[in-house]
Order: sequence, then structure tokens, then C-alpha cells
Amino acid sequence: QKEVEQNSGPLSVPEGAIASLNCTYSDRGSQSFFWYRQYSGKSPELIMFIYSNGDKEDGRFTAQLNKASQYVSLLIRDSQPSDSATYLCAVRGSTLRRLYFGRGTQLTVWP
Amino acid sequence: DADVTQTPRNRITKTGKRIMLECSQTKGHDRMYWYRQDPGLGLRLIYYSFDVKDINKGEISDGYSVSRQAQAKFSLSLESAIPNQTALYFCATSDWTGFDNEQFFGPGTRLTVL
Repeated sequence: QKEVEQNSGPLSVPEGAIASLNCTYSDRGSQSFFWYRQYSGKSPELIMFIYSNGDKEDGRFTAQLNKASQYVSLLIRDSQPSDSATYLCAVRGSTLRRLYFGRGTQLTVWP
Repeated sequence: DADVTQTPRNRITKTGKRIMLECSQTKGHDRMYWYRQDPGLGLRLIYYSFDVKDINKGEISDGYSVSRQAQAKFSLSLESAIPNQTALYFCATSDWTGFDNEQFFGPGTRLTVL
């Protein structure tokens, strides 16, 4: 059973702060890692993917991967109320055939 | 027009009824997936298909069946619906371009079983 665990929410931060979302996974052979954002009542949409150890930055978003610790995180700098959503961590397993999703972390950014 | 469409968008049905949810895509992707989402449980995979002849069970396939009628169409059936199948259902597609390929989701079908 491949497990993907996300930090329990909900997470609430003020506008302009850094939001930190965390995810751990059980399959040491996992190849790539994804962060999806899902607004209430909408479908998930991809924000970032990462497959090499270290940091990957895209605008206000930074994904961090540490394969030795089986840990991936998403940092949102200068958080905006429009960032309020549920963030889903997804892991592509060692067989590359499918994604395994975490339960999601609900983020609220208050003005 | 949307690349991944799902019909119906909302459905209310009764226990014991047979129901089919349909998914169509114009992205030309080979891989298609059916997920269900329940509050607090994230996305759980029901079935997935890598081409018309390749269909695989996910972790919650009991009570469901699927049909891949064509590359662009993937249907999910509930042969005899029960209340705990009340959920939000998503279809997704992806292309095989490597280990970083993105899944694209349809708008979802909200199913209520009374």
C-alpha cells in the first residue's frame, strides 16, 4: 500500500505570510511528486511538479524535495486570499503507472 | 470547449438503481482515470486505463465497473447504487511523456444516492 500523508489542516495564515504545506510518502522508489490546488467545488489543477532533490521555484511557489527523508513540501510566499484552497500532494510510484494522492490540506489566507 | 468533459454534472438516484457516468476527452491522451472524492479523504482511484485494451483496478473498485469504448471515452458504472457511493467523481487523463506527465481533470460529477 502506497501511502501519502499530508500535514493535517486546516492551515490559516494572514495575507503576505509564508504558507508551508508538507507531505511524506512511503514508497522509497517514487519517481516524481506533484502539488495540485483545488478550489471548493472545482477540479484539481496542477501547480508544480518536482523530481530532483532540492528546491524548485515558480513565482511565489517553491517545491522542496528530500528523497532520503521521503519528504516533499510546498511553500507559498506572500500568500494571497486567492490562494485559499485545498492543496493535494500526489506521488508517482516506482512503477510509474499511477499517482497516489494525499488527503489534502485546506489553506485559508485571511486579509 | 473543455478538454475533459463529464456527464452528468449532477445526479440524484435511488438505492439499487444502475447509473453510468461518462467521460470524454479531446486531448488525445491514452491514459484515463476515474477517482472519487469524499470530504477529508482526498482522491481515491477507482479504475484506470492505459488504452482501450488495458483496464486496471484502483484501490476502491468494488461496486464499480468501467468501459473504455474508445481512446476518447471512459465510462464508470454503478450496477446497483448504494448510499455510501454518494461522492464527487472525477475523470482525469494524461499522456505518456515521461515521469512528470500531468493529469488533467474533468469538472466532476456530484452523485447522490438516496
